[in-house]
Amino acid sequence: EAGVTQFPSHSVIEKGQTVTLRCDPISGHDNLYWYRRVMGKEIKFLLHFVKESKQDESGMPNNRFLAERTGGTYSTLKVQPAELEDSGVYFCASSHQPGTTYNEQFFGPGTRLTVL
Amino acid sequence: AQSVTQLGSHVSVSEGALVLLRCNYSSSVPPYLFWYVQYPNQGLQLLLKYTSAATLVKGINGFEAEFKKSETSFHLTKPSAHMSDAAEYFCAVIRSGGYQKVTFGTGTKLQVIP
Repeated sequence: EAGVTQFPSHSVIEKGQTVTLRCDPISGHDNLYWYRRVMGKEIKFLLHFVKESKQDESGMPNNRFLAERTGGTYSTLKVQPAELEDSGVYFCASSHQPGTTYNEQFFGPGTRLTVL
Repeated sequence: AQSVTQLGSHVSVSEGALVLLRCNYSSSVPPYLFWYVQYPNQGLQLLLKYTSAATLVKGINGFEAEFKKSETSFHLTKPSAHMSDAAEYFCAVIRSGGYQKVTFGTGTKLQVIP
């Protein structure tokens, strides 16, 4: 079974440009999460989709970030316009439909974004 | 709110020596606790998890962790380090009861010296 995949693995852009990151979750996983790790700091939650709906987007830093999950399959995270402080590693994770117990989140390899 | 604190951003051990990575948590409700590992150029992999069952949790690759409520700790140990254990390790917490947002520590890079 394929794991969570992310594209691209690396992206280098200039300040003010737009970048779109893509995440393909494990097939059949309704839940999709985005996390970000800024250099030297902890991995922080950005948002959580259940199918195509945003369940929790409390971690999104500002309105330059737009996440979508059309059709409830893959997701994209667009940063427009990118700023220097957006540099970091963006992780995607997916899990089965949660109930009252924890459902393991499976993480992708991450996309390393560098904004110059 | 939940949080975790990892003591030591870098830890070095000799091959064959004990590995001890420290994690303390803060949670107003019973937590679920985790250790993840990230090998170079790979994604985060779940090492082990505590979900209110046995307090001593065994994970993959010979790692284990003990949940100590009195000390609010969840330290990760391995009796004998192997070169392949060199990686970054993250302690993490979520609130029990179906809540899914994972809160991570800052990570500890483990170096294994031959």
